Amino acid sequence: SQQGEEDPQALSIQEGENATMNCSYKTSINNLQWYRQNSGRGLVHLILIRSNEREKHSGRLRVTLDTSKKSSSLLITASRAADTASYFCATGKGAQKLVFGQGTRLTINP
Amino acid sequence: DGGITQSPKYLFRKEGQNVTLSCEQNLNHDAMYWYRQDPGQGLRLIYYSQIVNDFQKGDIAEGYSVSREKKESFPLTVTSAQKNPTAFYLCASSQTGGDEKLFFGSGTQLSVL
Repeated sequence: SQQGEEDPQALSIQEGENATMNCSYKTSINNLQWYRQNSGRGLVHLILIRSNEREKHSGRLRVTLDTSKKSSSLLITASRAADTASYFCATGKGAQKLVFGQGTRLTINP
Repeated sequence: DGGITQSPKYLFRKEGQNVTLSCEQNLNHDAMYWYRQDPGQGLRLIYYSQIVNDFQKGDIAEGYSVSREKKESFPLTVTSAQKNPTAFYLCASSQTGGDEKLFFGSGTQLSVL
């Protein structure tokens, strides 16, 4: 069964708005990672948050982690057309045991 | 330019045929991985290798085979035993003992003729 599940499955917003997507998982983790995938391309690592961290920032990205609720959120502020992509969370213990969710398809409308 | 190169970008398989997908990395990473992605789905691990001449089955290894004769290369063979091979295949690598971040190639789309 999937370890990470993203919500919503699809999100469409206007350029300049903020986008929030969520990830829930089932078992204990070392860290949680977020990746972006443009259509027909490979995944690109965005940010990693460790199990003892609650919030992390990288540019326009903000990630939170709540281990008590086994959930994480990814916030993209001031969205741009180039942010249109699928976003995946990955959880687990060790790179060889990472489990990916089904992703959130984000569309930024001009 | 450091990275992971997958080839070909598109591949077609005839029934009963084995096909091999190439993956090469120049990041000096010890670990390499193969994932399968079906439309609208997440990634599922096929095989991984943490060191040369050693590899482990992932969650969906049946119908696939790999080799790791060189640190830089981790080819994946989709055998005729894989009855539903149409998918997007992604190769990745990571530094062992590092922060577990994966670096991905640009993928190979395999279709059945």
